[in-house]
Amino acid sequence: NAGVTQTPKFQVLKTGQSMTLQCAQDMNHEYMSWYRQDPGMGLRLIHYSVGAGITDQGEVPNGYNVSRSTTEDFPLRLLSAAPSQTSVYFCASSLRASGRTDTQYFGPGTRLTVL
Amino acid sequence: GIQVEQSPPDLILQEGANSTLRCNFSDSVNNLQWFHQNPWGQLINLFYIPSGTKQNGRLSATTVATERYSLLYISSSQTTDSGVYFCAVLSGGYQKVTFGIGTKLQVIP
Repeated sequence: NAGVTQTPKFQVLKTGQSMTLQCAQDMNHEYMSWYRQDPGMGLRLIHYSVGAGITDQGEVPNGYNVSRSTTEDFPLRLLSAAPSQTSVYFCASSLRASGRTDTQYFGPGTRLTVL
Repeated sequence: GIQVEQSPPDLILQEGANSTLRCNFSDSVNNLQWFHQNPWGQLINLFYIPSGTKQNGRLSATTVATERYSLLYISSSQTTDSGVYFCAVLSGGYQKVTFGIGTKLQVIP
């Protein structure tokens, strides 16, 4: 298994540009989520999904969209990039949405800079 | 929402020393995990431990759910233990995971 994969690893955008961060997992996990990590603030949940066709907002959803058309993929879209979205983005997945018995597995991260 | 506090924020250890990291949380939890983020940024799951005690080599963890805290023990520390240790919880009926801000550990030779 490849686990959780993310592309790209690095990205530089100009203010106002849009882009999609890709996340895929090959473990048939129900639960997928996106986090951003900023210095001194730990990881904050952006959006999550408990299965194909079902998504919900996390702690910091503004400026981001998600969709879950398949079990494997969970892309994160930046609609109009802002310097405040400069961060490292992590995708994670776990087997079941309830989370009661399952660990989360993280992708390698995408480092995004918005100029 | 639930609050997660980790202590200490920073820790410097001599190689071979032992340490205890603490995670306090403000509400009952269904799921608690400890992660290690290595200096290259990769997040590695250490323990899934909503209650009780687990051990994995030099690392062990204990969660006392009724008192709302968890401890991560590192024994005989090695330089490869350096990085940031995060506690993350899933609380109540929610499916949102909340992370603490982490403990930054540096192990020096």
